[in-house]
Amino acid sequence: GAVVSQHPSWVICKSGTSVKIECRSLDFQATTMFWYRQFPKQSLMLMATSNEGSKATYEQGVEKDKFLINHASLTLSTLTVTSAHPEDSSFYICSARDRQGNSGANVLTFGAGSRLTVL
Amino acid sequence: SQKIEQNSEALNIQEGKTATLTCNYTNYSPAYLQWYRQDPGRGPVFLLLIRENEKEKRKERLKVTFDTTLKQSLFHITASQPADSATYLCALLIKAAGNKLTFGGGTRVLVKP
Repeated sequence: GAVVSQHPSWVICKSGTSVKIECRSLDFQATTMFWYRQFPKQSLMLMATSNEGSKATYEQGVEKDKFLINHASLTLSTLTVTSAHPEDSSFYICSARDRQGNSGANVLTFGAGSRLTVL
Repeated sequence: SQKIEQNSEALNIQEGKTATLTCNYTNYSPAYLQWYRQDPGRGPVFLLLIRENEKEKRKERLKVTFDTTLKQSLFHITASQPADSATYLCALLIKAAGNKLTFGGGTRVLVKP
Protein backbone atom coordinates (compact mmCIF):
# COMPACT_ATOMS: atom_id res chain seq x y z
CA GLY A 1 0.00 0.00 0.00
CA ALA A 2 0.86 3.66 -0.17
CA VAL A 3 3.57 4.77 2.23
CA VAL A 4 4.47 8.28 3.30
CA SER A 5 7.77 8.86 5.04
CA GLN A 6 8.26 11.89 7.24
CA HIS A 7 11.58 13.09 8.59
CA PRO A 8 12.71 13.93 11.20
CA SER A 9 10.38 12.19 13.63
CA TRP A 10 11.39 14.59 16.35
CA VAL A 11 13.49 17.71 16.54
CA ILE A 12 14.53 20.12 19.27
CA CYS A 13 15.75 23.55 18.29
CA LYS A 14 16.54 26.89 19.81
CA SER A 15 14.19 29.81 19.51
CA GLY A 16 14.89 31.86 16.39
CA THR A 17 16.22 29.02 14.29
CA SER A 18 14.52 27.41 11.31
CA VAL A 19 13.55 23.79 11.02
CA LYS A 20 12.79 21.80 7.87
CA ILE A 21 10.52 18.77 7.83
CA GLU A 22 10.42 16.46 4.82
CA CYS A 23 7.50 14.44 3.59
CA ARG A 24 8.04 11.78 0.92
CA SER A 25 5.65 9.48 -0.86
CA LEU A 26 7.63 6.28 -1.24
CA ASP A 27 5.74 4.18 -3.71
CA PHE A 28 3.39 6.57 -5.44
CA GLN A 29 3.31 10.02 -6.94
CA ALA A 30 1.51 12.70 -4.98
CA THR A 31 0.48 15.85 -6.82
CA THR A 32 -1.07 17.07 -3.60
CA MET A 33 0.19 16.81 -0.06
CA PHE A 34 -1.32 18.23 3.09
CA TRP A 35 0.33 19.58 6.20
CA TYR A 36 -1.47 19.31 9.53
CA ARG A 37 -0.66 20.48 13.00
CA GLN A 38 -1.85 18.72 16.13
CA PHE A 39 -1.67 19.90 19.71
CA PRO A 40 -1.91 17.36 22.56
CA LYS A 41 -5.31 15.73 22.80
CA GLN A 42 -6.65 17.87 19.98
CA SER A 43 -7.61 17.16 16.44
CA LEU A 44 -5.59 17.64 13.32
CA MET A 45 -5.77 21.16 11.97
CA LEU A 46 -5.06 21.61 8.29
CA MET A 47 -2.34 24.19 7.79
CA ALA A 48 -1.83 24.13 4.06
CA THR A 49 -2.24 22.20 0.86
CA SER A 50 0.98 21.62 -1.01
CA ASN A 51 0.68 21.42 -4.77
CA GLU A 52 3.46 20.05 -6.94
CA GLY A 53 4.95 22.73 -9.12
CA SER A 54 2.90 25.59 -7.73
CA LYS A 55 2.43 27.65 -4.61
CA ALA A 56 0.91 26.12 -1.54
CA THR A 57 -2.57 27.08 -0.43
CA TYR A 58 -2.67 28.14 3.20
CA GLU A 59 -5.62 27.91 5.56
CA GLN A 60 -6.95 31.02 7.19
CA GLY A 61 -4.78 32.15 10.07
CA VAL A 62 -1.66 30.28 8.97
CA GLU A 63 1.26 32.57 8.20
CA LYS A 64 2.76 31.58 4.87
CA ASP A 65 6.00 33.41 5.62
CA LYS A 66 6.28 31.52 8.87
CA PHE A 67 5.56 28.10 7.46
CA LEU A 68 7.26 27.78 4.11
CA ILE A 69 6.13 24.92 1.94
CA ASN A 70 7.92 23.61 -1.11
CA HIS A 71 6.62 20.80 -3.30
CA ALA A 72 9.31 20.52 -5.93
CA SER A 73 8.63 16.99 -7.10
CA LEU A 74 5.85 14.46 -7.21
CA THR A 75 7.30 12.63 -4.22
CA LEU A 76 8.60 15.34 -1.91
CA SER A 77 7.11 18.22 0.00
CA THR A 78 8.94 20.17 2.69
CA LEU A 79 7.68 22.36 5.52
CA THR A 80 10.10 24.89 6.96
CA VAL A 81 9.22 26.54 10.24
CA THR A 82 11.11 29.80 10.10
CA SER A 83 12.32 31.72 13.14
CA ALA A 84 10.73 29.14 15.40
CA HIS A 85 9.37 30.13 18.79
CA PRO A 86 8.18 28.00 21.71
CA GLU A 87 4.56 28.45 20.64
CA ASP A 88 5.43 26.66 17.39
CA SER A 89 6.13 23.52 19.37
CA SER A 90 3.68 20.95 18.13
CA PHE A 91 3.20 17.69 16.26
CA TYR A 92 3.34 18.26 12.51
CA ILE A 93 1.93 15.61 10.24
CA CYS A 94 1.96 15.42 6.47
CA SER A 95 -0.31 13.39 4.27
CA ALA A 96 -0.60 12.59 0.62
CA ARG A 97 -3.27 11.47 -1.74
CA ASP A 98 -2.32 8.82 -4.23
CA ARG A 99 -2.36 10.37 -7.66
CA GLN A 100 -4.30 7.39 -8.91
CA GLY A 101 -6.82 8.12 -6.24
CA ASN A 102 -8.69 5.58 -4.20
CA SER A 103 -11.69 5.49 -6.46
CA GLY A 104 -11.56 9.25 -6.15
CA ALA A 105 -12.36 9.03 -2.48
CA ASN A 106 -9.56 11.27 -1.25
CA VAL A 107 -8.28 8.77 1.26
CA LEU A 108 -5.14 10.13 2.78
CA THR A 109 -1.96 8.33 3.71
CA PHE A 110 -0.25 10.00 6.63
CA GLY A 111 3.35 10.23 7.64
CA ALA A 112 4.35 9.25 11.15
CA GLY A 113 4.56 12.88 12.21
CA SER A 114 7.32 15.17 13.43
CA ARG A 115 7.41 16.37 17.02
CA LEU A 116 8.92 19.86 17.15
CA THR A 117 10.08 21.30 20.44
CA VAL A 118 11.35 24.86 20.43
CA LEU A 119 13.34 25.86 23.49
CA SER B 1 -18.39 26.55 9.20
CA GLN B 2 -18.45 22.79 9.43
CA LYS B 3 -18.48 21.42 12.95
CA ILE B 4 -17.59 17.82 13.69
CA GLU B 5 -18.20 16.43 17.14
CA GLN B 6 -16.83 13.30 18.66
CA ASN B 7 -17.12 12.31 22.27
CA SER B 8 -14.03 13.76 23.90
CA GLU B 9 -14.33 11.46 26.88
CA ALA B 10 -12.35 8.27 26.69
CA LEU B 11 -14.31 5.09 26.14
CA ASN B 12 -13.29 2.31 28.51
CA ILE B 13 -14.50 -1.09 27.47
CA GLN B 14 -13.97 -4.68 28.46
CA GLU B 15 -12.24 -7.01 26.04
CA GLY B 16 -14.71 -8.89 23.88
CA LYS B 17 -17.40 -6.21 24.06
CA THR B 18 -18.46 -3.91 21.25
CA ALA B 19 -17.21 -0.35 21.29
CA THR B 20 -19.47 2.23 19.65
CA LEU B 21 -18.20 5.68 18.76
CA THR B 22 -20.23 8.61 17.51
CA CYS B 23 -19.43 11.30 14.99
CA ASN B 24 -21.92 14.14 14.57
CA TYR B 25 -21.61 16.97 12.09
CA THR B 26 -23.43 20.16 11.28
CA ASN B 27 -24.06 22.28 8.23
CA TYR B 28 -22.84 20.80 4.98
CA SER B 29 -23.44 17.22 3.98
CA PRO B 30 -20.18 15.45 3.26
CA ALA B 31 -19.53 13.49 0.13
CA TYR B 32 -17.58 10.95 2.16
CA LEU B 33 -17.05 10.19 5.78
CA GLN B 34 -13.87 8.44 6.81
CA TRP B 35 -12.60 6.87 9.99
CA TYR B 36 -8.95 6.82 11.00
CA ARG B 37 -7.04 5.28 13.86
CA GLN B 38 -4.27 7.22 15.58
CA ASP B 39 -1.83 5.75 18.07
CA PRO B 40 0.10 8.06 20.44
CA GLY B 41 2.88 9.94 18.68
CA ARG B 42 1.94 8.56 15.28
CA GLY B 43 0.08 9.74 12.23
CA PRO B 44 -3.49 8.57 11.58
CA VAL B 45 -4.11 5.38 9.65
CA PHE B 46 -7.12 5.03 7.35
CA LEU B 47 -9.67 2.42 8.37
CA LEU B 48 -12.96 2.82 6.54
CA LEU B 49 -14.76 5.12 4.17
CA ILE B 50 -18.49 5.45 3.64
CA ARG B 51 -20.13 7.46 0.90
CA GLU B 52 -23.17 9.68 1.26
CA ASN B 53 -25.37 7.17 -0.54
CA GLU B 54 -24.28 4.25 1.63
CA LYS B 55 -25.87 3.24 4.91
CA GLU B 56 -23.36 0.76 6.25
CA LYS B 57 -19.85 -0.50 5.60
CA ARG B 58 -17.97 -3.38 7.18
CA LYS B 59 -14.36 -4.42 7.36
CA GLU B 60 -13.45 -7.40 9.52
CA ARG B 61 -14.50 -6.44 13.08
CA LEU B 62 -15.27 -2.85 12.13
CA LYS B 63 -18.62 -1.47 11.08
CA VAL B 64 -19.55 2.05 10.10
CA THR B 65 -23.01 3.46 9.60
CA PHE B 66 -23.92 6.76 8.02
CA ASP B 67 -27.21 8.58 8.57
CA THR B 68 -27.31 11.76 6.52
CA THR B 69 -30.68 12.69 8.00
CA LEU B 70 -29.34 12.62 11.53
CA LYS B 71 -25.97 13.91 10.30
CA GLN B 72 -24.31 11.15 12.23
CA SER B 73 -21.93 8.25 11.76
CA LEU B 74 -21.46 5.40 14.19
CA PHE B 75 -18.26 3.38 14.34
CA HIS B 76 -18.37 -0.06 15.91
CA ILE B 77 -15.53 -2.31 16.98
CA THR B 78 -16.90 -5.76 17.68
CA ALA B 79 -15.14 -8.36 19.83
CA SER B 80 -12.77 -5.62 20.97
CA GLN B 81 -9.20 -6.45 21.86
CA PRO B 82 -6.60 -4.57 23.91
CA ALA B 83 -4.75 -3.94 20.61
CA ASP B 84 -7.74 -1.86 19.52
CA SER B 85 -6.85 0.73 22.14
CA ALA B 86 -6.17 3.98 20.28
CA THR B 87 -7.79 7.26 19.33
CA TYR B 88 -10.31 7.08 16.52
CA LEU B 89 -10.91 10.09 14.31
CA CYS B 90 -13.75 10.72 11.95
CA ALA B 91 -13.12 12.93 8.97
CA LEU B 92 -15.45 14.51 6.47
CA LEU B 93 -14.78 15.38 2.88
CA ILE B 94 -16.91 18.32 1.91
CA LYS B 95 -17.01 19.20 -1.76
CA ALA B 96 -18.32 22.67 -1.02
CA ALA B 97 -15.24 23.30 1.10
CA GLY B 98 -12.79 22.54 -1.67
CA ASN B 99 -12.62 18.80 -1.17
CA LYS B 100 -10.66 19.14 2.03
CA LEU B 101 -10.75 16.57 4.79
CA THR B 102 -11.88 18.02 8.10
CA PHE B 103 -11.25 15.99 11.23
CA GLY B 104 -13.17 15.58 14.43
CA GLY B 105 -11.42 15.76 17.78
CA GLY B 106 -11.23 12.00 18.12
CA THR B 107 -12.35 9.57 20.79
CA ARG B 108 -9.84 7.59 22.79
CA VAL B 109 -10.72 3.94 23.27
CA LEU B 110 -9.17 1.81 26.00
CA VAL B 111 -9.89 -1.89 25.86
CA LYS B 112 -9.19 -3.64 29.14
CA PRO B 113 -8.27 -7.33 29.24
